[in-house]
Amino acid sequence: GENVEQHPSTLSVQEGDSAVIKCTYSDSASNYFPWYKQELGKRPQLIIDIRSNVGEKKDQRIAVTLNKTAKHFSLHITETQPEDSAVYFCAASKGGSYIPTFGRGTSLIVHP
Amino acid sequence: SAVISQKPSRDICQRGTSLTIQCQVDSQVTMMFWYRQQPGQSLTLIATANQGSEATYESGFVIDKFPISRPNLTFSTLTVSNMSPEDSSIYLCSVRRDTEAFFGQGTRLTVV
Repeated sequence: GENVEQHPSTLSVQEGDSAVIKCTYSDSASNYFPWYKQELGKRPQLIIDIRSNVGEKKDQRIAVTLNKTAKHFSLHITETQPEDSAVYFCAASKGGSYIPTFGRGTSLIVHP
Repeated sequence: SAVISQKPSRDICQRGTSLTIQCQVDSQVTMMFWYRQQPGQSLTLIATANQGSEATYESGFVIDKFPISRPNLTFSTLTVSNMSPEDSSIYLCSVRRDTEAFFGQGTRLTVV
């Protein structure tokens, strides 16, 4: 089955800095890569996703990149704000069921 | 989007007892998913609940320990049976809309 590795497990930045979270996956058939944000005590929510036919996608301060050859994808957050503090999960899935396999999560802490 | 109501939100249970978690979705869905999120850990899929058939369990999870019911297309229950402290975790139900996963607010279970 699919295996998703995520790094780092904890990331501490100053407000205004950029943050990068990296993930690798094992199943070359995976073609959909969502990112979820989970604030403390709340449910995970989708913040951005990318499909395998696209190399990069942006949405305001967040962007995702995908390297299919290397089987890795990354989340980039620019101009971080304290409200970006949360746990971020990457995931990989494939067409048909689109059941995601999640990475272990990255706890992002943005210091004011 | 999908609105998912999950209850109870938290419970403290004695070892050896069982707890049933309920999940209600605001519209009909073919598949409902149950996840476990141990403290500081990722989201691990327990099983997929299909209406009219037995649930499909992931490796490491068995029906005797985590029986699931799916009586209709908007409702499912997960029972955690014969609990031990190792079962202390957050349990989340989830549904899929197209490629996006939506989650209930979770049930925080503590076994003492």
